[in-house]
Amino acid sequence: GENVEQHPSTLSVQEGDSAVIKCTYSDSASNYFPWYKQELGKRPQLIIDIRSNVGEKKDQRIAVTLNKTAKHFSLHITETQPEDSAVYFCAASRGRDDKIIFGKGTRLHILP
Amino acid sequence: DSGVTQTPKHLITATGQRVTLRCSPRSGDLSVYWYQQSLDQGLQFLIQYYNGEERAKGNILERFSAQQFPDLHSELNLSSLELGDSALYFCASSVGASGAYEQYFGPGTRLTVT
Repeated sequence: GENVEQHPSTLSVQEGDSAVIKCTYSDSASNYFPWYKQELGKRPQLIIDIRSNVGEKKDQRIAVTLNKTAKHFSLHITETQPEDSAVYFCAASRGRDDKIIFGKGTRLHILP
Repeated sequence: DSGVTQTPKHLITATGQRVTLRCSPRSGDLSVYWYQQSLDQGLQFLIQYYNGEERAKGNILERFSAQQFPDLHSELNLSSLELGDSALYFCASSVGASGAYEQYFGPGTRLTVT
């Protein structure tokens, strides 16, 4: 069945450095890839998404890249700040007519 | 505030009991998703309803059931509760039927089974 693998499960980076979280998916028909951020004690919220017709998307310090051939996509956070500390979930969907599959999450710690 | 509401916020009950969790989606959203999040676990997709009909099923136990009513609110029923059912239960809503739409999560219901 469909599967989304996410690595690493935990990531610690120094404040100001960059963080990269990687996901791979199994279903080659997947075409929508969102990223959700869940701060401690709060609900998950969409931070960025990408569709299969583009290879990269940026929003200020956050970027997502997609490699359809290799079936993987990554979240890049530059100039990390304390408020970036959270759990990040990647997900994949085939879009129309299909459900969404979440990765198991990455706990990101920003060290002072 | 996402516009999605969930009640109750907290629920403490004993093993063997049955509980009902309630979710009201954002105005205009037709899809409701239910997720279970245990300690240090990811989001386990349970079930999705779209406009009153079951749309997709995930890792939902037979002891659990859900429905979506004509006013689009949804209820998740958990029965014969076990200690391992203790978790945070989220519902989320989206405008469309497929997974290609942003999901708006509610604040969650924390269930503790003692």
